[in-house]
Amino acid sequence: AQSVTQLGSHVSVSEGALVLLRCNYSSSVPPYLFWYVQYPNQGLQLLLKYTSAATLVKGINGFEAEFKKSETSFHLTKPSAHMSDAAEYFCAVKSNNAGKSTFGDGTTLTVKP
Amino acid sequence: DTAVSQTPKYLVTQMGNDKSIKCEQNLGHDTMYWYKQDSKKFLKIMFSYNNKELIINETVPNRFSPKSPDKAHLNLHINSLELGDSAVYFCASSQPQTGEIGYEQYFGPGTRLTVT
Repeated sequence: AQSVTQLGSHVSVSEGALVLLRCNYSSSVPPYLFWYVQYPNQGLQLLLKYTSAATLVKGINGFEAEFKKSETSFHLTKPSAHMSDAAEYFCAVKSNNAGKSTFGDGTTLTVKP
Repeated sequence: DTAVSQTPKYLVTQMGNDKSIKCEQNLGHDTMYWYKQDSKKFLKIMFSYNNKELIINETVPNRFSPKSPDKAHLNLHINSLELGDSAVYFCASSQPQTGEIGYEQYFGPGTRLTVT
């Protein structure tokens, strides 16, 4: 069985501040992990993914995430928030014995000027 | 060059009507999905097809019927629409999610369905 929990349904940061969006997963086998972003009135698009090649994964728009097996976490970070980062962010997990990905409930990121 | 496209983008209809949403992908993927996103942005998988074969059928009312005429198309037909069907419906595609593979999904722009 696989599941994912995103801690904090809403995160608000000031422009230029650190962005940290939390994701914890549960999987009985080694997982693949994904972060997707959804801008207003658009579909989801991939930010980055972990597929066991490297624990620190760099994605688009300056985002990165670190896979920590001991903490079952895959938190998303960005050193300096930009107004254009305001969006909904989804963490997803796929175990290698599962036929589908499971998405978290999403985190709404607000960036204040 | 749109990778995953959906039509229509907006759909407003009355309770009891029947409607369809169409999806097409030009990525050459074998697997396609329908997701429902409610007003709280929760994303829930409804169906998945692999090369025209239904492989995932979540707990969805049988008023919802997917159809895949070929692996590039996955349509969603909804009978006897209810108020609770109002949501944004997303189509997505990927390489097959079987075994030790972690392919990402590509999403369409969504269809906003409003049932009045």
